[in-house]
Amino acid sequence: GDSVTQMEGPVTLSEEAFLTINCTYTATGYPSLFWYVQYPGEGLQLLLKATKADDKGSNKGFEATYRKETTSFHLEKGSVQVSDSAVYFCALIIQGAQKLVFGQGTRLTINP
Amino acid sequence: EPEVTQTPSHQVTQMGQEVILRCVPISNHLYFYWYRQILGQKVEFLVSFYNNEISEKSEIFDDQFSVERPDGSNFTLKIRSTKLEDSAMYFCASSADRTGSEQYFGPGTRLTVT
Repeated sequence: GDSVTQMEGPVTLSEEAFLTINCTYTATGYPSLFWYVQYPGEGLQLLLKATKADDKGSNKGFEATYRKETTSFHLEKGSVQVSDSAVYFCALIIQGAQKLVFGQGTRLTINP
Repeated sequence: EPEVTQTPSHQVTQMGQEVILRCVPISNHLYFYWYRQILGQKVEFLVSFYNNEISEKSEIFDDQFSVERPDGSNFTLKIRSTKLEDSAMYFCASSADRTGSEQYFGPGTRLTVT
């Protein structure tokens, strides 16, 4: 079946550090890929997405590239801020389906 | 900015009781979803809903669950006879298009079954 695997957390970094959160997937069809973020006490917010191979999604300094050959969609940011502390979810949706399939989430804490 | 809202934020109920979780999707959205997250586990899809019908559901969504859009604004999830294992965070989401590629989530309702 379809599944998403994220690197285990929690991840703790210092402000201005480089961030990578790994995400790999298995899919029975052709997926679109997403990163969602959940700030404390809030719902999941779409951070970025990519709908086809080699597409790069970007938002708020975060980037992720859809790599079909390695079935990956790793999240990166060059210089994290305290306000980036949240839980990050990688997800996919198969073309023609409506359900998002999520990874387990990675809790990120940024220390000043 | 429009947002999805959910009530209550926390619901405590006894095993065997019925609960109704409420959601107000974004007003011009036509596709609605419920997901749940058991503590420490992944967010799991339950059901999608369009035009007053279920369009897709997971194996979790058995006869104990039902969804309804009772009026033009609310979208509800009912659990008829709650079990301990129904304790989870329940998220409602909505989207404007059928691809579901941009789903907007509410803050969730934490359901605790005792």
